[in-house]
Amino acid sequence: GQNIDQPTEMTATEGAIVQINCTYQTSGFNGLFWYQQHAGEAPTFLSYNVLDGLEEKGRFSSFLSRSKGYSYLLLKELQMKDSASYLCAGEERGGATNKLIFGTGTLLAVQP
Amino acid sequence: KAGVTQTPRYLIKTRGQQVTLSCSPISGHRSVSWYQQTPGQGLQFLFEYFSETQRNKGNFPGRFSGRQFSNSRSEMNVSTLELGDSALYLCASSLATLGTEAFFGQGTRLTVV
Repeated sequence: GQNIDQPTEMTATEGAIVQINCTYQTSGFNGLFWYQQHAGEAPTFLSYNVLDGLEEKGRFSSFLSRSKGYSYLLLKELQMKDSASYLCAGEERGGATNKLIFGTGTLLAVQP
Repeated sequence: KAGVTQTPRYLIKTRGQQVTLSCSPISGHRSVSWYQQTPGQGLQFLFEYFSETQRNKGNFPGRFSGRQFSNSRSEMNVSTLELGDSALYLCASSLATLGTEAFFGQGTRLTVV
């Protein structure tokens, strides 16, 4: 099976850069997702990494190291609206079907 | 274009009953996946349907089932409801499979009493 770990809470300052880490242990890792979820709202897809390396999408970047079982989400030029929960999810291969295993989420608070 | 639509938004059921939730994906999207979110367990993957076939599945008991119609609309059914099934049920649609950008609906809040 797969285990996903990420910090429970983080605090950062408006305009700064923050890195949210996610580690995973898996018996059949296929890829890794990041989602953003504001309180009371549905999650929003941010990224999906399959290959090692950094993928940049505007102010958000996601990194994956398959050999280290490690990913991070990098948020630049933080804005107050970035205050949200960030969910890391691993895609695990399992015979004929795959499944997603979610971490508990990292609650990011952006302060002025 | 219209987003992902889930109905109903809120539902109250009694323990032992069964419930059916509906999800209409974005036009042109063929994949619909379902998730359960609770304060205690967080977000959990239920299953994914693509072209009317269940393609991927999480670790939920057989009481949780689903189907997808030829127009890509999907339904999720939970039989013999338990108190622990109280949760926000989310569906997401995407063009292809799990690894592509998914768009979530606003969810159905199910309360089992």
